[in-house]
Amino acid sequence: EADIYQTPRYLVIGTGKKITLECSQTMGHDKMYWYQQDPGMELHLIHYSYGVNSTEKGDLSSESTVSRIRTEHFPLTLESARPSHTSQYLCASSEVGSEQYFGPGTRLTVT
Amino acid sequence: AQTVTQSQPEMSVQEAETVTLSCTYDTSESDYYLFWYKQPPSRQMILVIRQEAYKQQNATENRFSVNFQKAAKSFSLKISDSQLGDAAMYFCALIIQGAQKLVFGQGTRLTINP
Repeated sequence: EADIYQTPRYLVIGTGKKITLECSQTMGHDKMYWYQQDPGMELHLIHYSYGVNSTEKGDLSSESTVSRIRTEHFPLTLESARPSHTSQYLCASSEVGSEQYFGPGTRLTVT
Repeated sequence: AQTVTQSQPEMSVQEAETVTLSCTYDTSESDYYLFWYKQPPSRQMILVIRQEAYKQQNATENRFSVNFQKAAKSFSLKISDSQLGDAAMYFCALIIQGAQKLVFGQGTRLTINP
């Protein structure tokens, strides 16, 4: 069983609010990822990290930002939430060239 | 660049029967890994099965098995004795040895009819 956690699981928030989605893993993986996924649709990589103090933008442009100050922690921040940000956000981690382990996801609704 | 294609957006099968989900991929690399992931409704994405490209033997995990055709760049998933709990989105994915990112297919929604 993979040990990767996301909080909150569900979030409903008004337009213009700043939000941070938390992701933590206890497996010591260097690689961590954020995906955006609309229900029942494909995954889009929005951010990833090779390790502490390294972050990269993914394949899908996103207004969110990420940080990686500790190996186990990879939070995602939206400075000003908009209805277009309504989606599910999945965090994952992996070792190099290996399968990714996914968290339970955060379902975000911006009203 | 690598691509993964799942040409079946939706599939359905009767409970206890067998179903095969298709996946094709494209890469010029020779060392890579292929995966099938399962995402049940409103639940966590989990790894179903993994295949190393250098292995000729098809991977098997209980009722789940793959048909890996390296020359044809095909990686299908067979689910035997389908159960209601198998209903989910299934994603095929590829990663090149030493690479940082998985490449996912578009997903196939599998429905199990009782």
